[in-house]
Amino acid sequence: QKEVEQDPGPLSVPEGAIVSLNCTYSNSAFQYFMWYRQYSRKGPELLMYTYSSGNKEDGRFTAQVDKSSKYISLFIRDSQPSDSATYLCAPSLSNFGNEKLTFGTGTRLTIIP
Amino acid sequence: NAGVTQTPKFQVLKTGQSMTLQCAQDMNHEYMSWYRQDPGMGLRLIHYSVGAGITDQGEVPNGYNVSRSTTEDFPLRLLSAAPSQTSVYFCASSPRTALYGYTFGSGTRLTVV
Repeated sequence: QKEVEQDPGPLSVPEGAIVSLNCTYSNSAFQYFMWYRQYSRKGPELLMYTYSSGNKEDGRFTAQVDKSSKYISLFIRDSQPSDSATYLCAPSLSNFGNEKLTFGTGTRLTIIP
Repeated sequence: NAGVTQTPKFQVLKTGQSMTLQCAQDMNHEYMSWYRQDPGMGLRLIHYSVGAGITDQGEVPNGYNVSRSTTEDFPLRLLSAAPSQTSVYFCASSPRTALYGYTFGSGTRLTVV
């Protein structure tokens, strides 16, 4: 079993729709849960992170963590064409920079105008 | 503030050739790492460094060497290129606390023929 599993998609939704992106993980010691966004032919960039279980909202984006089921989600409200990208989840044991992150394979999302 | 700079952006190598992928950051980050990204495999850690003079292996180190003589630079050497090393390579850096995430370069697309 991979340490982090993510549906690779691709996922296409119409503009304005609510998008749900999901990951599962196997290591119950993970405490920090990050989402990276990667535009085509660019490097990933941190979108948002959460600590432990619960929800965190940032504008149109909501990250949700359920540690009991080892399930993490990213919701995008009022999706825009500019949200078209690959989204990678990255759970982590700590928030230290020397942490060797394990990334999900990424979900490729396309928002159709 | 340039962030993380990778050169070259594109490279074609013949099997057996060697080359160095360059990575430089100007943020005084302690932690630097190299990932390769392949379809369906996500980002996989090749080598990483927690500071000048300190390097260690990641998940897929075979066929690659690194060194970290300065805080700013972290070159990745391919010793004898193989078609299996065809990939997109990303360099990333982070301060000691990674709450703002890793900063990735824009990648090097390498094809080995």
